[in-house]
Amino acid sequence: DVKVTQSSRYLVKRTGEKVFLECVQDMDHENMFWYRQDPGLGLRLIYFSYDVKMKEKGDIPEGYSVSREKKERFSLILESASTNQTSMYLCASSSFYRGTEAFFGQGTRLTVV
Amino acid sequence: TQLLEQSPQFLSIQEGENLTVYCNSSSVFSSLQWYRQEPGEGPVLLVTVVTGGEVKKLKRLTFQFGDARKDSSLHITAAQPGDTGLYLCAGPPTNAGKSTFGDGTTLTVKP
Repeated sequence: DVKVTQSSRYLVKRTGEKVFLECVQDMDHENMFWYRQDPGLGLRLIYFSYDVKMKEKGDIPEGYSVSREKKERFSLILESASTNQTSMYLCASSSFYRGTEAFFGQGTRLTVV
Repeated sequence: TQLLEQSPQFLSIQEGENLTVYCNSSSVFSSLQWYRQEPGEGPVLLVTVVTGGEVKKLKRLTFQFGDARKDSSLHITAAQPGDTGLYLCAGPPTNAGKSTFGDGTTLTVKP
């Protein structure tokens, strides 16, 4: 059974804190993604990575950075959390070679106070 | 940029009713995926349609890919409260794996 695991289901952080969201996949997928999902705005891509140490900006990268030191792990970093980064964060992975489907983690509900 | 428009945005029905949601684009897609997302969870893949005119069935769910591969529909027969969720359609990855998602249809099935 394929699995994408996000480190936390719920997080509450203070404004200005540095926040790390971790994602691990066990499918040996090349591609990994971070999205945020807000009511009325759909899924918006923050960053994606198609290989270790490679990263590409998505549609809304401002205020975020990412790290991919190992193939199975993709981290999203909020350098200085702000209240407008309160959102549902979703990690996904897909294979570059085997089909086009994305597999999602369970999501992290982040609240910045 | 390939855009996917989903309609309706919201749908609230009684248990036992039938419904259809739509996913439309002006672009041709080599395939489309449908996902369901329950509140507080991540999206889960339901199906991938690949061939123009293709019809796939998953229990009470019927998925169709348009002949021109620009649109798709999801029909649910005799909806149940467990069908409640956000239904998303998505196009295949473009360069380097970046997918296009529609904004989704939020379905509520009342008992």
